[in-house]
Amino acid sequence: NAGVTQTPKFQVLKTGQSMTLQCAQDMNHNSMYWYRQDPGMGLRLIYYSASEGTTDKGEVPNGYNVSRLNKREFSLRLESAAPSQTSVYFCASSEGSPGVQPQHFGDGTRLSIL
Amino acid sequence: QKEVEQNSGPLSVPEGAIASLNCTYSDRGSQSFFWYRQYSGKSPELIMFIYSNGDKEDGRFTAQLNKASQYVSLLIRDSQPSDSATYLCAVNTGGFKTIFGAGTRLFVKA
Repeated sequence: NAGVTQTPKFQVLKTGQSMTLQCAQDMNHNSMYWYRQDPGMGLRLIYYSASEGTTDKGEVPNGYNVSRLNKREFSLRLESAAPSQTSVYFCASSEGSPGVQPQHFGDGTRLSIL
Repeated sequence: QKEVEQNSGPLSVPEGAIASLNCTYSDRGSQSFFWYRQYSGKSPELIMFIYSNGDKEDGRFTAQLNKASQYVSLLIRDSQPSDSATYLCAVNTGGFKTIFGAGTRLFVKA
């Protein structure tokens, strides 16, 4: 039972390149999330998907797009990477609302943009 | 802007002592409160959650919530070197958005 799986684990991009971060969960959870974590700052919500077929903006959505491909998979796309997007990205899932259900996190993707 | 504040630390305690981690939040409408532990280079993992005023105990961990003072804390009894990590306080005001603090680094000296 893998839980939440993120790929890739590490990536280096040049400014202006695009890439998609992949996330899959095998816990049959309804809700999925993308966060970024920067030094000295808490996890900040980029986008979330409350249920299959829906996506909504979080605190810092600019420069990102997401796709809830099916119940298991939720991808995050950087269309034109910028150095300010250098960060550690975490995908998470929960059975329902995170107010009452705990979030389970993947191992993270460490992304550097030069 | 909803905020969750934590002392960044490091908080250093000797092995066997009680570690006390504190967190304040700005939104009075906050409904649920979580403590996550994050080892260096790893993902956050849930330790405790609390919804009601008062104390909630789980093994060596006790979460304390005071909504009037907008204050939540985590006590770790009989601290062990393996407890050395960053502890993240997280607050949910309802819905799907949870606000995380920047975390407190705890160091337990053997």
